[in-house]
Amino acid sequence: DIQMTQSPSSVSASVGDRVTITCRASQAISSWLAWYQQKPAKAPTLLIYSASSLQSGVPSRFSGSGSGTDFTLTISSLQPEDFATYFCQQVNSFPLTFGGGTKVEI
Amino acid sequence: EVQLVQSGAEVKKPGESLRISCKGSGYSFTSHYINWVRQMPGKGLEWMGRIDPSDSYSHYSPSFQGHITISVDKSISTAYLQWSSLKASDTAIYYCAANVFVPASDYWGQGTLVTVSS
Repeated sequence: DIQMTQSPSSVSASVGDRVTITCRASQAISSWLAWYQQKPAKAPTLLIYSASSLQSGVPSRFSGSGSGTDFTLTISSLQPEDFATYFCQQVNSFPLTFGGGTKVEI
Repeated sequence: EVQLVQSGAEVKKPGESLRISCKGSGYSFTSHYINWVRQMPGKGLEWMGRIDPSDSYSHYSPSFQGHITISVDKSISTAYLQWSSLKASDTAIYYCAANVFVPASDYWGQGTLVTVSS
């Protein structure tokens, strides 16, 4: 199985901050990586697919980069509605696996 | 509008069987994979398995293989997640998610809470 390691597990930030979350795969996955946002008591929503493609309707302050084993999700200027938990997922090979999550909090 | 609507919350006893559902609408149900994802209380997301509704071919995570069954009924655009013998450790929220327009889960159901307790 491909292990996905996210860091940090939590980050304290303020409105307007730039936030960077990393995800490392235990083996190369090309660009087959997605990022999701989950707010409390809600289903996850897709932010980024194919490592760097912005999902329709997602604000442009979100961006993704990377390929191979190292990936990054960046929020350029944190907004109040961005306080949530973020997960990466590799969709390169079965079993598809998620990272452990990063909680972005005040 | 693409929608995935899941069945309601369930309370079961250990050893009981259960089937929860996920009904797709607003898109070609048989053309897009359905995934099932577990979220235990206060924990992260775990991919359980995926089914191709066109031919019912499934992939399971080794962590869940043998304990769950994923199926579909194409005639009613519905996917199912089934247990034959529940354990207390199956207590969780279960999400279905479809890969419709992109190679990732771009549409999610609202989640089904399953509580297993004696």
